[in-house]
Amino acid sequence: DAGVIQSPRHEVTEMGQEVTLRCKPISGHDYLFWYRQTMMRGLELLIYFNNNVPIDDSGMPEDRFSAKMPNASFSTLKIQPSEPRDSAVYFCASSLGSRGDGELFFGEGSRLTVL
Amino acid sequence: QKEVEQNSGPLSVPEGAIASLNCTYSDRGSQSFFWYRQYSGKSPELIMFIYSNGDKEDGRFTAQLNKASQYVSLLIRDSQPSDSATYLCAVDHTGGFKTIFGAGTRLFVKA
Repeated sequence: DAGVIQSPRHEVTEMGQEVTLRCKPISGHDYLFWYRQTMMRGLELLIYFNNNVPIDDSGMPEDRFSAKMPNASFSTLKIQPSEPRDSAVYFCASSLGSRGDGELFFGEGSRLTVL
Repeated sequence: QKEVEQNSGPLSVPEGAIASLNCTYSDRGSQSFFWYRQYSGKSPELIMFIYSNGDKEDGRFTAQLNKASQYVSLLIRDSQPSDSATYLCAVDHTGGFKTIFGAGTRLFVKA
């Protein structure tokens, strides 16, 4: 079975542009998480979904960030407008929740550079 | 206070030694505790999870949990250069599925 699939792997954009990151979770996983990783702040939870419903978005930095999960096999994280401080690696992860042991399965990440 | 705290390191140990990695957490309601390993430029991958107080062993790895002290540790026996990575402690917040990570400890194993 394929793991968590993220796209794009790398994105370089200019300040003010819209950025959309995409994620396909592992089939059958009920939970989907978006994390952001930087050297300064480590791995921060932005938002997570259960059965396509956002459960906790308290980690979303500000209104410029939004996330959606229109169906069980697809999620997006959008930044509009982007700023240089948004530069980071964005990871998507999925899990089985209560049907598993809580393990998160991570995608390879999307490295975002905002100039 | 951060929810999950780790010493950022780097921790340097010689090959064959025991590496000891520590983590404290603030939420007393947490029930599940995890150690992930992350190689440079890669995504985190699970090494071990532990739910109960005490020790849990898996090969060269031993996780230790003390809920009264809100303390989790990972011991790596017979450390190998291939163990050189960042080790992330993670905790399920308030016993749910919101998983919070520490900043990670960088480990270097010298050949």
